[in-house]
Formats: sequence, C-alpha cells, structure tokens
Amino acid sequence: SQQGEEDPQALSIQEGENATMNCSYKTSINNLQWYRQNSGRGLVHLILIRSNEREKHSGRLRVTLDTSKKSSSLLITASRAADTASYFCATVAPYGNKLVFGAGTILRVKS
Amino acid sequence: EAGVVQSPRYKIIEKKQPVAFWCNPISGHNTLYWYLQNLGQGPELLIRYENEEAVDDSQLPKDRFSAERLKGVDSTLKIQPAELGDSAVYLCASSWASGRNEQFFGPGTRLTVL
Repeated sequence: SQQGEEDPQALSIQEGENATMNCSYKTSINNLQWYRQNSGRGLVHLILIRSNEREKHSGRLRVTLDTSKKSSSLLITASRAADTASYFCATVAPYGNKLVFGAGTILRVKS
Repeated sequence: EAGVVQSPRYKIIEKKQPVAFWCNPISGHNTLYWYLQNLGQGPELLIRYENEEAVDDSQLPKDRFSAERLKGVDSTLKIQPAELGDSAVYLCASSWASGRNEQFFGPGTRLTVL
C-alpha cells in the first residue's frame, strides 16, 4: 500500500521555469523524503525533512512540510532538461523503520 | 565511494522458471532492503535486513519468494517459480542504520516473465 499521493501525476514545463510537486499523506510521520528516478541514475535521494521542520533548501530545491495538512511540496527552481525524471515522496512513521513511497510525479523539462 | 551494485540488470524468463537477483550494498551499510517497483508506481518494500537478520519480511510472498543475506553483506532474492505478475523492477537499497534515514538505491533488475 502507498502512503503518499503526488500531485500532479505528470508535469511538462519549459527549461528555466519553476516546477512544483505536491505530496499528501495519511498518517503521522517522523520524516518525509523526496527521491528522483531517471533511467540513467536510478533512484536518488534528494532531501529529507523532519516532522518538526517546516522548510528546507538544497541548491535549487525547496521543500516545505505542513503536518497539520499532512502535505509537502517540492519546488525546483530554474529547471533544466536534466531535471526530467520521476519524483517520489516517501514517508517514515513516527516509530517506524521503513519508507513508504507514493506513486510519483513525472516531470518533463523541455529545452 | 562505490554505490549499490545489482546484477543482472535485465532478465527475461519463462513462467514457472526460477530466477535470482544479487545485491552488494555500500560498504559499511548495515541495513539492506529489497523493493518491488511496478510500472508507474513507487517502490514497495519486500524485505529489510539489519546485518544478516530479516527484521521486516511482512510483504514478502513467502510461497515463492525467498531472500538471504549471508555474513551481513551481499544479498540474494529468489523467485521460484516465477509468474507473469512478477514482471517488475527489483530494487536493492542500503543505509547506515534503520529505515529512517536516507537510502541509497542500486540501478535495479528489470524482470520480464513470459
């Protein structure tokens, strides 16, 4: 079973534009993580945000977390063609020890 | 630092045949995971090892799937016999400890059952 649901399912933008992906989840969490998957590099960890944090940045990535709404968003600024990939959110329960992934958002960046 | 290594990358077999996948985690990572990923879906955990002990295998279909992690390093996932519905990508991942932290994934094995 999958905990998170990403929205939109697919997103197509022009290079240089910003891309925003959203993730909603159902139960309390210890942390939420975002991963990227493309055919070239497999599944790669992008960023982890803990339940007591509201925002984190990493390079061109900005992640927000709203535990009251059980939602998170991933913003990629100034997108590049190389950002074309599937993006997954994954949650860890408060006393759990495993990741539960959503179905992902497919991002296509056109050059 | 070498990443998680998996082999083979692709495997095509006929139904009812056995198949095995191999994974070598990042050196020093105590925790190893096997995931199943169907097309258009996120990975789903099959089994998690802490060193050589399987601590979470609740999602592993034990009638046909088996796994081992001898000496707490390499791991093998086996399916016998394979069914058409087993066609998917099998991912191996590892992490420093427990399942709360960042996980490092291998490239996966794409299995096609004919």
